[in-house]
Amino acid sequence: QVQLQESGPGLVKPSGTLSLTCDVSGGSISNSNWWCWVRQPPGKGLEWIGEIYHSGSTNYNPSLKSRAIISVDKSKNQFSLKLTSVTAADTAVYFCAREADFDLWSGYDNWGQGTLVIVSS
Amino acid sequence: DIVLTQSPLSLPVTPGEPASISCRSSQSLLFRNGYNYLDWYLQKPGQSPQLLIYLGSKRASGVPDRFSASGSGTDFTLKISRVEAEDVGIYYCMQVLQPPRAFGQGTKVEIK
Repeated sequence: QVQLQESGPGLVKPSGTLSLTCDVSGGSISNSNWWCWVRQPPGKGLEWIGEIYHSGSTNYNPSLKSRAIISVDKSKNQFSLKLTSVTAADTAVYFCAREADFDLWSGYDNWGQGTLVIVSS
Repeated sequence: DIVLTQSPLSLPVTPGEPASISCRSSQSLLFRNGYNYLDWYLQKPGQSPQLLIYLGSKRASGVPDRFSASGSGTDFTLKISRVEAEDVGIYYCMQVLQPPRAFGQGTKVEIK
């Protein structure tokens, strides 16, 4: 059973860079299709940030204005999110998730528990 | 970008009664392979989202059969045949046809 676990600083200063890692256990990161990041500001809905394909190609939400970078480290079986030039509006719970099926979309069937990141001085 | 609009945004339900949530897309989510690229997720209080339905109508593993979904193109519906207390939470539809993938605003289901 694949499990995902987010980690990273819970507090980031304005204009700084938010860096999060999603550790994958119970299976190889190479054996799933898409790996994504989703966030949820306090009391608000879900926002898709972006994703990385097993081949390494990426897609991002243009609303983040090119501030997001998602990468994979296969040697550590983890993938990461960097979000630059953060403001208070980036305060949110950040989730990582995966879509497993190489042949036909099967949904984000595995999610991490989420990690709260607060942007504040 | 594709925009999803859910209704209602709040849904008080009575246990044992049916419930229905609508999701409308600004563009067709029907792909050339015949599948609609729309998922449904439930976020229970204090938890991560969980997958209920993928490709418009396919129930995810372990999802009770009281949950069903239908629709094609731009109009979709999630139905709960008989609501149980454990079904409370926020339901989101999500388009996965093309990036940027996007969620609807969410529908909060609570017990009357």
